[in-house]
Amino acid sequence: DQQVKQNSPSLSVQEGRISILNCDYTNSMFDYFLWYKKYPAEGPTFLISISSIKDKNEDGRFTVFLNKSAKHLSLHIVPSQPGDSAVYFCAASVTGNQFYFGTGTSLTVIP
Amino acid sequence: GAVVSQHPSWVICKSGTSVKIECRSLDFQATTMFWYRQFPKQSLMLMATSNEGSKATYEQGVEKDKFLINHASLTLSTLTVTSAHPEDSSFYICSAHGVRGGAQETQYFGPGTRLLVL
Repeated sequence: DQQVKQNSPSLSVQEGRISILNCDYTNSMFDYFLWYKKYPAEGPTFLISISSIKDKNEDGRFTVFLNKSAKHLSLHIVPSQPGDSAVYFCAASVTGNQFYFGTGTSLTVIP
Repeated sequence: GAVVSQHPSWVICKSGTSVKIECRSLDFQATTMFWYRQFPKQSLMLMATSNEGSKATYEQGVEKDKFLINHASLTLSTLTVTSAHPEDSSFYICSAHGVRGGAQETQYFGPGTRLLVL
């Protein structure tokens, strides 16, 4: 049973525009969320996190929004750059327990 | 359902013992597997990259004699924490990279193994 879902396998965005990647989860007990970025043939690298006590966390061009009532997480990248082209994974956990990962969204930023 | 499994999901051991964690890709061949360590409220730290049939590549600062990685087949990689100590207590996650079901190459994460060393 997929507890964390990324329903869009791919997304294309023009350079300079906003990229919005979405993630939905089913377990209301999840209290810690992560976004990872992965380039081909490399391991994922951590991007940004958010705990359930917040609804927004910002780091430079990256902002993560958490809507607990909707069990929805999103990552905004503004402005999008060609170097942002990668696969993005979201992950969720109940603190101290295992992580559940989404299946990834492949972002292509068109120059 | 899960495409990457880890066993065990929880392990508690005494200081000085060795612990083996298995990572299996269930329905695809993983040419590369990655091992991560998760510290509380922090990002995953990549420990090593293993390719089937060759020696693992360890990240800087990771002791290869302490964290033994074996990638004996295209569906199985093992991480052995040798002579475990309390500071090794952590959450260990593997991920498998390969082609599944004719789709493009992608990466799937295992559910993780929580290690507690007493």
